[in-house]
Amino acid sequence: GAGVSQSPSNKVTEKGKDVELRCDPISGHTALYWYRQSLGQGLEFLIYFQGNSAPDKSGLPSDRFSAERTGGSVSTLTIQRTQQEDSAVYLCASSGRGTQETQYFGPGTRLLVL
Amino acid sequence: EDQVTQSPEALRLQEGESSSLNCSYTVSGLRGLFWYRQDPGKGPEFLFTLYSAGEEKEKERLKATLTKKESFLHITAPKPEDSATYLCAVSYYGGATNKLIFGTGTLLAVQP
Repeated sequence: GAGVSQSPSNKVTEKGKDVELRCDPISGHTALYWYRQSLGQGLEFLIYFQGNSAPDKSGLPSDRFSAERTGGSVSTLTIQRTQQEDSAVYLCASSGRGTQETQYFGPGTRLLVL
Repeated sequence: EDQVTQSPEALRLQEGESSSLNCSYTVSGLRGLFWYRQDPGKGPEFLFTLYSAGEEKEKERLKATLTKKESFLHITAPKPEDSATYLCAVSYYGGATNKLIFGTGTLLAVQP
């Protein structure tokens, strides 16, 4: 596709359940990022993948959060044992290889934990 | 501490009433400053990237400028369709990651 795509668009889950969020980056982009946008707060960096390098996981808020990127393309963000404070919009972005490359965002997944 | 502050938090303009949004930053070595527009229920849409003090970029009714401590997004003769949240973000040297630090945004409403 022409842009970053994410699925599902919306996800409602019960506290304690696991959820998986998917991101398809722009074709040819080697860098992929996950951010979280909570109500009234700015976007918060979670994790960064660049090619085959080890990911930068420094923004993950707890060990319940993990992410993987298969084949250098699609990424999945997994949240285990979800808590109500995990409710937010999860945004994925991708960019080219350079350190000054613009990041292009997907539409986000709106997660609601009941 | 590296941070980005945007002001005002909200701005209401009449159609045609020009104004400016501010983004001030404190980071150790700026790589780039980015402006995005975000409509309700959607992801941020890229507008501009600025890399060095004195740089300016324009697109339709929007013009972005950069100094060593802040950036301005000037909106000339805005229209109702310019209503959105405008986000500022910076990337900086000092780490291997090209992550962005975002401000909390300015919610702009343009009344017809």
